[in-house]
Amino acid sequence: DIQMTQSPSSLSASVGDRVTITCRASETISNYLNWYQQKPGKAPKLLIYSASSLQSGVPSRFSGSRSGPDFTLTISSLQPEDSATYYCQQSYSAPDTFGRGTKLEIK
Amino acid sequence: QVRLQESGPGLVKPSQTLSLTCTVSGGSISTDGYYWSWIRQLPGKGLEWIAYINYSGSTYYNPSLKGRVTISVDTSQNQFSLNLRSVTAADTALYYCARERRSDYGNYFDPWGQGTLVTVSS
Repeated sequence: DIQMTQSPSSLSASVGDRVTITCRASETISNYLNWYQQKPGKAPKLLIYSASSLQSGVPSRFSGSRSGPDFTLTISSLQPEDSATYYCQQSYSAPDTFGRGTKLEIK
Repeated sequence: QVRLQESGPGLVKPSQTLSLTCTVSGGSISTDGYYWSWIRQLPGKGLEWIAYINYSGSTYYNPSLKGRVTISVDTSQNQFSLNLRSVTAADTALYYCARERRSDYGNYFDPWGQGTLVTVSS
């Protein structure tokens, strides 16, 4: 199985900050990388698919990118409602696998 | 808009079979380009994809579950189901159903059901 490594595992940032979360796969996955947001007691919600495509209805402050083997989720200006855990997921090779998550807290 | 809702027992005894059903509303389970998945969230261990099926019955299972899983679809009821046999405490998790959009550009899960907690305990 392809292993997904997310970093950091947790972070704390202030409203208005630019936040980046990184995900790296154990082998090449092309752009088959998705990002999800999960709030406590809720199901994960799709934010970004195919590395950089913004899901309909998701605020434009969320963006995704790829640089070589590293995939990045960026929140351009952090809002209080962005407090959540963020997961990456690869769909290049079955079985689909997820990162362990990044817990984002608002200072 | 498509919605998914899991249902099934919240408590299963060790060695028995865990059975869950996902009911799809707001859209047809028989739509081309979509697969229907089960995913679980293990306490402290993140998300694990379990299996998928499409409306014609094409399936794929996570090899990590070692042949204990069966997924099925009932298009007349707009439902799909999961059976996980010989459960142990390690199968205690929050179980989600989700629609998987599959394309040449990648696959993604959207939307998800709200999840149902299944505890394996005697």
